[in-house]
Amino acid sequence: LAKTTQPISMDSYEGQEVNITCSHNNIATNDYITWYQQFPSQGPRFIIQGYKTKVTNEVASLFIPADRKSSTLSLPRVSLSDTAVYYCLVGDWGGGYNKLIFGAGTRLAVHP
Amino acid sequence: GAVVSQHPSRVICKSGTSVKIECRSLDFQATTMFWYRQFPKKSLMLMATSNEGSKATYEQGVEKDKFLINHASLTLSTLTVTSAHPEDSSFYICSARTSGSPDTQYFGPGTRLTVL
Repeated sequence: LAKTTQPISMDSYEGQEVNITCSHNNIATNDYITWYQQFPSQGPRFIIQGYKTKVTNEVASLFIPADRKSSTLSLPRVSLSDTAVYYCLVGDWGGGYNKLIFGAGTRLAVHP
Repeated sequence: GAVVSQHPSRVICKSGTSVKIECRSLDFQATTMFWYRQFPKKSLMLMATSNEGSKATYEQGVEKDKFLINHASLTLSTLTVTSAHPEDSSFYICSARTSGSPDTQYFGPGTRLTVL
């Protein structure tokens, strides 16, 4: 399982775009990249998943460069309710995947 | 998106008793479910992988006789904390893996266990 490295914490203000970058230098060919959001005393919530290039859904975008050794989660126009911990995980989700090992995540604080 | 439920959401018990936590995938079948525990301000720590119809696989350092896991159907896995002690107090979270390409893990809301 590829290890991931993320900033421990980030601060932002309401209405700004937030980009959280995750490094995964040892990502394998079959690995996908998935991001989760977690609020205190709740289970992680799936945000977005991708393999390469760019993926966008109603809440976020995920940018993955050609070498796939990093990825960036982009949250457009954050609000106070986006204050949470964000986890980046990589794993073989295409059938060979077994388990997720969580890193420390990035603690995002959005200020008024 | 896929929904995973946990029951109970919160439980308080006396030291020495056993507690069962249920994890259900509500709108999909999950051959594999996972159990995590999380301490305050810490990340999730994987405890075990639960496979339907077979024995669970425990992570190193997790006592299988202490944390009994049963995955009796494609939508239900249970975690029983046996002879609970105060140090077992924690936030327990399950997840269920969907099938497909790629597959994805969806998490339950968690269960707060407090052992007095």
